[in-house]
Amino acid sequence: SSELTQDPAVSVALGQTVRITCQGDSLRSYYASWYQQKPGQAPVLVIYGKNNRPSGIPDRFSGSSSGNTASLTITGAQAEDEADYYCNSRDSSGNRVVFGGGTKLTVL
Amino acid sequence: QVTLKESGPVLVKPTETLTLTCTVSGFSLSNARMGVSWIRQPPGKALEWLAHIFSNDEKSYSTSLKSRLTISKDTSKSQVVLTMTNMDPVDTATYYCARARDGYTDPYYYYYMDVWGKGTTVTVSS
Repeated sequence: SSELTQDPAVSVALGQTVRITCQGDSLRSYYASWYQQKPGQAPVLVIYGKNNRPSGIPDRFSGSSSGNTASLTITGAQAEDEADYYCNSRDSSGNRVVFGGGTKLTVL
Repeated sequence: QVTLKESGPVLVKPTETLTLTCTVSGFSLSNARMGVSWIRQPPGKALEWLAHIFSNDEKSYSTSLKSRLTISKDTSKSQVVLTMTNMDPVDTATYYCARARDGYTDPYYYYYMDVWGKGTTVTVSS
């Protein structure tokens, strides 16, 4: 079982805004990082730290945190954003690392 | 340019030991606050973190797999090696290595994996 909990599936209309959430006790002291994975490809980091995007990640991706919940927001979702999204951090003890179970995003 | 490349057997038999190598370039395994993580993904399933090793030689393992995993690094060769003993068909997965970064930015700590290898698929079957 994962110490980070994500909704299994979320959908959004093309051009609309969607929020993907990740819950876990470790998020009270750790920023979540977020990864996008498309079929047959390796995951790609999209958000890390307070709200940082690696080079090449569109600014429609943003991250936030409140209490034990981290959120990935896509403002103006595009068809190419359809993918699985995973959150990640160290666990509550800080000794190990955990992933959420992943959220499958469908862009309608 | 930072790259990571996984290598190892495509097929292993049950009970055998799997040895995977991650060869990195574009950064040094001795760089502060940098490390390498191993992650796997069974077909159609979620990502699962396995282990990491950092430049200060901090090692950590998945709780559920700790007894079967060993991670090590050879800084001079820019390689990180993961061994997993007693392989079982449920260990069939794509295995990834990724560069890991950790630290603190007020008010929280952070941990992320910013560059990933393409992955190597391992099948466990007799």
